[in-house]
Amino acid sequence: EAGVVQSPRYKIIEKKQPVAFWCNPISGHNTLYWYLQNLGQGPELLIRYENEEAVDDSQLPKDRFSAERLKGVDSTLKIQPAELGDSAVYLCASSLGGRGYNEQFFGPGTRLTVL
Amino acid sequence: AQRVTQPEKLLSVFKGAPVELKCNYSYSGSPELFWYVQYSRQRLQLLLRHISRESIKGFTADLNKGETSFHLKKPFAQEEDSAMYYCALSTSGTYKYIFGTGTRLKVLA
Repeated sequence: EAGVVQSPRYKIIEKKQPVAFWCNPISGHNTLYWYLQNLGQGPELLIRYENEEAVDDSQLPKDRFSAERLKGVDSTLKIQPAELGDSAVYLCASSLGGRGYNEQFFGPGTRLTVL
Repeated sequence: AQRVTQPEKLLSVFKGAPVELKCNYSYSGSPELFWYVQYSRQRLQLLLRHISRESIKGFTADLNKGETSFHLKKPFAQEEDSAMYYCALSTSGTYKYIFGTGTRLKVLA
């Protein structure tokens, strides 16, 4: 099995442009997470989904970031417009259930560079 | 506020030496604690969790609620242990995941 799939792996855009990231979780995993990882830092949660419901989006900068998980499977994270400070790695993870002790399975991440 | 602190950005040890990666947390509730590892060019993956009380690849970690610590230990380091290690906490009820800033372990031959 491929595990969590993310695309694209790398993205370079100019500031003020829009960008979107896609995530396909492991089959059967109803919980999906989007994380932001800045250089030299640990992952920071942006949003957590239980099926198609966003149960924790308190750290998502809603003025420019949006996310959706239609049909409770794939998810898309969008930034519009992108700023220089958005350059980072965006990680998607999934787990079987949202309980705190459940293992999270991470994707390879998308490295975003905003020029 | 909840917080996970990993005081060492880099830890270098010689092969065969003992290893201890430190993790302290700040949380008033009953936490779930984890160690995740990222080997070179690989994804972040779970190493172990305190609830399982297991030893993985020779690593163990004990939750010390009095000292609010969850240090990762291995008695004899191997070169293949070289990686980035992240301590993480999940809050009870809300299941919010908080990662530390990570410690890079380098095992020298």
